[in-house]
Amino acid sequence: ILNVEQSPQSLHVQEGDSTNFTCSFPSSNFYALHWYRWETAKSPEALFVMTLNGDEKKKGRISATLNTKEGYSYLYIKGSQPEDSATYLCAFINPNDYKLSFGAGTTVTVRA
Amino acid sequence: KAGVTQTPRYLIKTRGQQVTLSCSPISGHRSVSWYQQTPGQGLQFLFEYFSETQRNKGNFPGRFSGRQFSNSRSEMNVSTLELGDSALYLCASSENQNTEAFFGQGTRLTVV
Repeated sequence: ILNVEQSPQSLHVQEGDSTNFTCSFPSSNFYALHWYRWETAKSPEALFVMTLNGDEKKKGRISATLNTKEGYSYLYIKGSQPEDSATYLCAFINPNDYKLSFGAGTTVTVRA
Repeated sequence: KAGVTQTPRYLIKTRGQQVTLSCSPISGHRSVSWYQQTPGQGLQFLFEYFSETQRNKGNFPGRFSGRQFSNSRSEMNVSTLELGDSALYLCASSENQNTEAFFGQGTRLTVV
């Protein structure tokens, strides 16, 4: 069982503020890392698929970085808006069997 | 392109009964994975099917089983239901193992 940890578990952000949170994963034998956004009453939606050390991906005000050598990825939200309120999940692909192992998520609440 | 469809959306069953959940993947996607989410837990991997073959299995008892048909549609079966099986069951499809997963809206199973 692979240990994928996300921190913090939850955070509250004032509208307009920027924030970031972490996903930690086993640093040996990396294959790929996914980020998903899960809004209440909806399905998880893919944000990024990251495969290379040093990868930086961006989608609108959301971006992510990847450090495979030390085993972490950061997700950044710039200028948070209420519609950014969601649980953000990272998932590590086990290179031995290609299973997705999900972290427990970081729940972001943006206050207007 | 139609998304991932799961049926039924909600289900109430009695302890000891069995249940079958259905998932229709995005057209062209041959990989279908199933996950369980219970309160306070991240997404727990159940199994993955690819071209009608179970390719990966999570750490769940044998009461949990699944299959995939030639049109890539998948079913998940849980026999001898227990109260602890109450959860949201999510299905996800993808083109292959290292591309993003597309999730259905889930089946909310309640065992009473």
